[in-house]
Amino acid sequence: QVTLRESGPALVKPTQTLTLTCTFSGFSLSTSGMCVSWIRQPPGKALEWLARIDWDDDKYYSTSLKTRLTISKDTSKNQVVLTMTNMDPVDTATYYCARISAYGSGNDYWGQGTLVTVSS
Amino acid sequence: QSALTQPASVSGSPGQSITISCTGTSSDVGSYNLVSWYQQHPGKAPKLMIYEVSKRPSGVSNRFSGSKSGNTASLTISGLQAEDEADYYCCSYAGSSPEVFGGGTKLTVL
Repeated sequence: QVTLRESGPALVKPTQTLTLTCTFSGFSLSTSGMCVSWIRQPPGKALEWLARIDWDDDKYYSTSLKTRLTISKDTSKNQVVLTMTNMDPVDTATYYCARISAYGSGNDYWGQGTLVTVSS
Repeated sequence: QSALTQPASVSGSPGQSITISCTGTSSDVGSYNLVSWYQQHPGKAPKLMIYEVSKRPSGVSNRFSGSKSGNTASLTISGLQAEDEADYYCCSYAGSSPEVFGGGTKLTVL
């Protein structure tokens, strides 16, 4: 079955760089049409789309955060990595990774999310 | 890319139908039939309920339906049940920054 799991630090200091890893199983990111997205949710607030990487290594970023984000994949390890530079307390949120299995099909499987707190 | 606009809250009694609206612009909702809807219970990850405006993933109840007119998409839940109480988010393809979410709607089943 399809599973995704986010991992990374629970606490980062302001100005530091956050690195999150999404480890997945049950599908291959080398399969045509497959994508993995990162989405975050500050406590008590709405979902915010961050970035996506496609099976063919195309990458897409939130317009407002693109200067701070980098997404990459390691197909052999079934992992997608998101880095976010210059972390600020407003970046405190639960970070989710999710799968898209075909263009337009929506994020059909999600990880459980990982809470990242930015504080000195 | 600005967030899509949803009502903060809606409510209904068991058995009734409710509709949640999601208003975007001609750059997102209005230009693409790529609107999806997610249900999120407290402390849980979102769950895909509708994609491509009106399609339901396998396993999602047919009480959930989606539609779109112009720049506004809608999610309708018929035959409300207690388990439907949750937050609902719309999401649309938006071109260069591929996805934009709505601000979320809290559904209360009275």
